[in-house]
Amino acid sequence: AQSVTQLDSQVPVFEEAPVELRCNYSSSVSVYLFWYVQYPNQGLQLLLKYLSGSTLVKGINGFEAEFNKSQTSFHLRKPSVHISDTAEYFCAVSQNSGGSNYKLTFGKGTLLTVNP
Amino acid sequence: KAGVTQTPRYLIKTRGQQVTLSCSPISGHRSVSWYQQTPGQGLQFLFEYFSETQRNKGNFPGRFSGRQFSNSRSEMNVSTLELGDSALYLCASSGGQYPYTFGSGTRLTVV
Repeated sequence: AQSVTQLDSQVPVFEEAPVELRCNYSSSVSVYLFWYVQYPNQGLQLLLKYLSGSTLVKGINGFEAEFNKSQTSFHLRKPSVHISDTAEYFCAVSQNSGGSNYKLTFGKGTLLTVNP
Repeated sequence: KAGVTQTPRYLIKTRGQQVTLSCSPISGHRSVSWYQQTPGQGLQFLFEYFSETQRNKGNFPGRFSGRQFSNSRSEMNVSTLELGDSALYLCASSGGQYPYTFGSGTRLTVV
């Protein structure tokens, strides 16, 4: 079985400050990793994904994440946030083989609030 | 290219009733997954279909069921609704490789 822990339920920051949203996962097999963003009353939008290859992954809206296999982490970063980045962010994991590779296991989410 | 379409967007049902939610995937996508999102439990996997076959199922009671049609459209059904079934139900589709693209969801309220 796999699990995802998002270490912070809420992260308040000021506009133009850098931010890091932390994500750790647990799995006995190799995984794919994802970050999704959810704006109020909307579905989930993919920010970035790690499937294989380079451990530094760049996504949309200036976000990036680094896969660290030894630390089992996939932290999300942005060097300078905007008011419009205020949303809930979800880290997700999926096995990359076997019968459970068609489902995503999500963390509980981190509410990022960007203040002026 | 049209995204994943879920209907209806909002639904209010009474305890004990049943409900059917619909999901139209992105054209050409054959994999459709369903998730339940609640404030207490977060996002939980319900089931996944590919070419009309259920490939994976989450830990939900038998009141939750789904199906997929030959055109890849999917429906999920919840029978004998309980107050705790109130949630945002999200559908996602994939062309066979990650990632999944999500719809805007159906907000179900059980009263």
